[in-house]
Amino acid sequence: AAGVIQSPRHLIKEKRETATLKCYPIPRHDTVYWYQQGPGQDPQFLISFYEKMQSDKGSIPDRFSAQQFSDYHSELNMSSLELGDSALYFCASSATSGSRNTQYFGPGTRLTVL
Amino acid sequence: QQQVKQSPQSLIVQKGGISIINCAYENTAFDYFPWYQQFPGKGPALLIAIRPDVSEKKEGRFTISFNKSAKQFSLHIMDSQPGDSATYFCAARVESGANNLFFGTGTRLTVIP
Repeated sequence: AAGVIQSPRHLIKEKRETATLKCYPIPRHDTVYWYQQGPGQDPQFLISFYEKMQSDKGSIPDRFSAQQFSDYHSELNMSSLELGDSALYFCASSATSGSRNTQYFGPGTRLTVL
Repeated sequence: QQQVKQSPQSLIVQKGGISIINCAYENTAFDYFPWYQQFPGKGPALLIAIRPDVSEKKEGRFTISFNKSAKQFSLHIMDSQPGDSATYFCAARVESGANNLFFGTGTRLTVIP
């Protein structure tokens, strides 16, 4: 079965640079969530989109923005990167019907800020 | 502020033993409680989930026990196997709300042969 696809899988950036992470949800899933997981930490919710509209916002810094496109894929844009942004970034997707919103996680993008 | 508290932080169990991980929450609006299994470098994978209308749910070797009045739930892994060695996260969500998950702090389980 198709899973959530994230790209790139690894990304190395310098401080103050920008980064763009991409997420391709499971086909027919209309909701996308972004989570940040620091080393040894639990995933923290950043932001979510439903039908291309932002549906909820968590602890996402103002330096970050995200959007969901017409094909339901989503991009997380990160600017003015800081050392503390180094983390695993997970995207999850869900459908609003059938499986009652079970969130399926992608393999993550490991961002390292030097 | 950690909305879901999880213990223990780490757990070592002999092969064939029972692994027990506990979680507690405060927000009575939570109405969906999943458990996720995560291997190093991988995304969390849904293991089993429960809703507050039942006190127990079993799927194979995995059982969730749910105590609504105490606002606690636990994961029991029967006949633990070395392949179960992973980090386990409990989580909670308001299904009628925004649906984002609030995770516990995780339990690193090691099953020794």
